[in-house]
Amino acid sequence: SQQGEEDPQALSIQEGENATMNCSYKTSINNLQWYRQNSGRGLVHLILIRSNEREKHSGRLRVTLDTSKKSSSLLITASRAADTASYFCARLPNTGFQKLVFGTGTRLLVSP
Amino acid sequence: SAVISQKPSRDICQRGTSLTIQCQVDSQVTMMFWYRQQPGQSLTLIATANQGSEATYESGFVIDKFPISRPNLTFSTLTVSNMSPEDSSIYLCSVAGGIGTDTQYFGPGTRLTVL
Repeated sequence: SQQGEEDPQALSIQEGENATMNCSYKTSINNLQWYRQNSGRGLVHLILIRSNEREKHSGRLRVTLDTSKKSSSLLITASRAADTASYFCARLPNTGFQKLVFGTGTRLLVSP
Repeated sequence: SAVISQKPSRDICQRGTSLTIQCQVDSQVTMMFWYRQQPGQSLTLIATANQGSEATYESGFVIDKFPISRPNLTFSTLTVSNMSPEDSSIYLCSVAGGIGTDTQYFGPGTRLTVL
């Protein structure tokens, strides 16, 4: 499949805990982007990490990229109920075309 | 980041009819795309909307079913033609090549239900 794989498919945690989501892919990439989707609405862009970067931070979010393992992870620290959403990784392959390939997504539920 | 609006936000349509979805961006962008998200699934790229020329469709999607227009650098439409219940999905437009070249920004989506 061209899609990246994400795991876990679903994650249920308590407020204050950390949430880690993983994304794997098969072909070389230009960059990898993480998105959040609330209740089937539009996607909110979270972080873009380029192939020559290993880690990026944005507020409570930390993204890592290991190109040798063709994998990325998204860590949400000190989670809140408002973080409940689906999270998708999307890779931009090294084809020269701006066509994102989306992963299967992780559904995160943060309980108060 | 680019601000993207879509119309309509949702619709319920009868089998055999067509629906045109509009996507408007608040700034000129190089690339515009249309995606489909079937219930409980991830996003699949339908086509790249090219300004002033025919859209470029992905495997499994054809122009007769999903005609696309892009008359300028800030506007595009996607039509879902001769609809069937299998077309019930969220349709999203996205843009790239504007502010923040590599980042793709998404519209709020159009939730389509076909009866």
